[in-house]
Amino acid sequence: DAKTTQPPSMDCAEGRAANLPCNHSTISGNEYVYWYRQIHSQGPQYIIHGLKNNETNEMASLIITEDRKSSTLILPHATLRDTAVYYCIVKDWSGNEKLTFGTGTRLTIIP
Amino acid sequence: NAGVTQTPKFRILKIGQSMTLQCTQDMNHNYMYWYRQDPGMGLKLIYYSVGAGITDKGEVPNGYNVSRSTTEDFPLRLELAAPSQTSVYFCASRVPLRDNEQFFGPGTRLSVL
Repeated sequence: DAKTTQPPSMDCAEGRAANLPCNHSTISGNEYVYWYRQIHSQGPQYIIHGLKNNETNEMASLIITEDRKSSTLILPHATLRDTAVYYCIVKDWSGNEKLTFGTGTRLTIIP
Repeated sequence: NAGVTQTPKFRILKIGQSMTLQCTQDMNHNYMYWYRQDPGMGLKLIYYSVGAGITDKGEVPNGYNVSRSTTEDFPLRLELAAPSQTSVYFCASRVPLRDNEQFFGPGTRLSVL
């Protein structure tokens, strides 16, 4: 699975959009981009994933560049409950079940 | 649905003791996983199972054993606890469709002293 690079920490004002970047320059054609988050001491929570196209759900939007070498997770109206560590993971499901979590981005929402 | 449940929430073990971490899911997911998370680090895969009777090693299997006799349960066994096994343990499950997400339990915090 391709490696990812994320900034170690970010701040965002409450009510503003939080934009979390992720670089995955070695991603291959059959690898998906996943985002999970982990609120303090809890189990990771799935947010969204995509392959090529941009995706949106009730939690967030995922923007993947055309060359797929990077992506951005957007939380449109950040709240204090969005304070968490956010993990960007790339995954190919062909015979390998390992989901590789790096150290992620610690997002702090400022009141 | 309760989702993925784990027991106990907390445990302190002495070196050399053994214990079983329990994991149960009520979503009828075939695939189940055990991860550990050391302080300030990401999760590492210990073992996983793609169905009852089938288990396979992950990234850090040494010192652990698993079994999968039913779809719902996936216990993790520590036979001779060591301080290096002090960690938070998370169980997860997913539907065996190619890109489906994993659902995680709340974790078990284990200290070995």
